Amino acid sequence: NAGVMQNPRHLVRRRGQEARLRCSPMKGHSHVYWYRQLPEEGLKFMVYLQKENIIDESGMPKERFSAEFPKEGPSILRIQQVVRGDSAAYFCASSPDLPEAFFGQGTRLTVV
Amino acid sequence: QKEVEQNSGPLSVPEGAIASLNCTYSDRGSQSFFWYRQYSGKSPELIMSIYSNGDKEDGRFTAQLNKASQYVSLLIRDSQPSDSATYLCAVRRSAGGTSYGKLTFGQGTILTVHP
Repeated sequence: NAGVMQNPRHLVRRRGQEARLRCSPMKGHSHVYWYRQLPEEGLKFMVYLQKENIIDESGMPKERFSAEFPKEGPSILRIQQVVRGDSAAYFCASSPDLPEAFFGQGTRLTVV
Repeated sequence: QKEVEQNSGPLSVPEGAIASLNCTYSDRGSQSFFWYRQYSGKSPELIMSIYSNGDKEDGRFTAQLNKASQYVSLLIRDSQPSDSATYLCAVRRSAGGTSYGKLTFGQGTILTVHP
């Protein structure tokens, strides 16, 4: 059973470009969570999704950020018009209908 | 007040000693509690979960939960240099149904185990 798969592992974008981060949850997991981690800081919740539904987006900036988890395919975190402050590690976690959540390897976004 | 607070650290213990990591939380509705380990540059790895008051042991790790005091801890016995990492406490509000709510993390405690 493969773990949570995130791609790309590293992403470099110029200011103003779009960044698309992908997350394939573990088999059988229908809950997906996105977190952001700045250097030397903790994990900050961004959004929680179930298939085709956003359950909680209270941690996501109102502008430029969006997330989806379609019926088919991976969950996507999309950042439009990236700025240097968006540079961070973005982690996806998934869980089955149980409380434990398991993290992917993360995507390191660098905005230049 | 932060939702989840951990002892500030960094914590340094000698090899073979017991490392004690502490966490308090503010939401009395929290039902699920977790400890994750994160090595530098890596992703968080789930090492313990606990849902009921008392102790839960798994190998060298023991998680302790006291809901009345809103306190959860992690003890690592016979600490090894390979245990050196950042330990993250996380809490979740609900423990049932099909929507669990977000995991809220503390800021982490850096543990160093020196030979």
